[in-house]
Amino acid sequence: KNQVEQSPQSLIILEGKNCTLQCNYTVSPFSNLRWYKQDTGRGPVSLTIMTFSENTKSNGRYTATLDADTKQSSLHITASQLSDSASYICVVSFFYGGGADGLTFGKGTHLIIQP
Amino acid sequence: GAGVSQSPSNKVTEKGKDVELRCDPISGHTALYWYRQSLGQGLEFLIYFQGNSAPDKSGLPSDRFSAERTGGSVSTLTIQRTQQEDSAVYLCASTLDEFGQGTRLTVV
Repeated sequence: KNQVEQSPQSLIILEGKNCTLQCNYTVSPFSNLRWYKQDTGRGPVSLTIMTFSENTKSNGRYTATLDADTKQSSLHITASQLSDSASYICVVSFFYGGGADGLTFGKGTHLIIQP
Repeated sequence: GAGVSQSPSNKVTEKGKDVELRCDPISGHTALYWYRQSLGQGLEFLIYFQGNSAPDKSGLPSDRFSAERTGGSVSTLTIQRTQQEDSAVYLCASTLDEFGQGTRLTVV
């Protein structure tokens, strides 16, 4: 069964500190992995997307890594800001056929940045 | 250009009533996804439209749920005889990079 597990469920850090969020998956056949940021009351916003051959992808202060052998991904946030407070969702796509990828969603990590 | 638009943003309905949720995707995008996000839960896939192909309905939780996409553009998600467990945020996506802000449905 395709699954995506994220840890921690929630995290509180002080403004300016770094943090790393984890995503482990058992999804096959793997197509790509995305990290989304979802602010309260808003739709998810894509941060990064990585295919099988990509090990790292950056988007500003966000850096995602992917180890396709161990089926693990991480999202590292550098020099956190209050606006980083949100839920971060890991989504793994698998080849589904018919022109579309199937999706398996993690439940997200709820990040709170404190001043 | 405009992003994905959903309406209403909030809907409160009585148990047993039918509701319709609307999604206006990005113009020209042929794909459209509906997801549901319950409190404390991850995103749950409901249905996927791609062009004129038959939709993938594999995520619809019961036959009370249905969706249409007219003219390859606007989509309507209909929930009949709503139940309290239907309370959730219903999200529409035009591609996997473009989500609407969602409709928060509360069944009382």
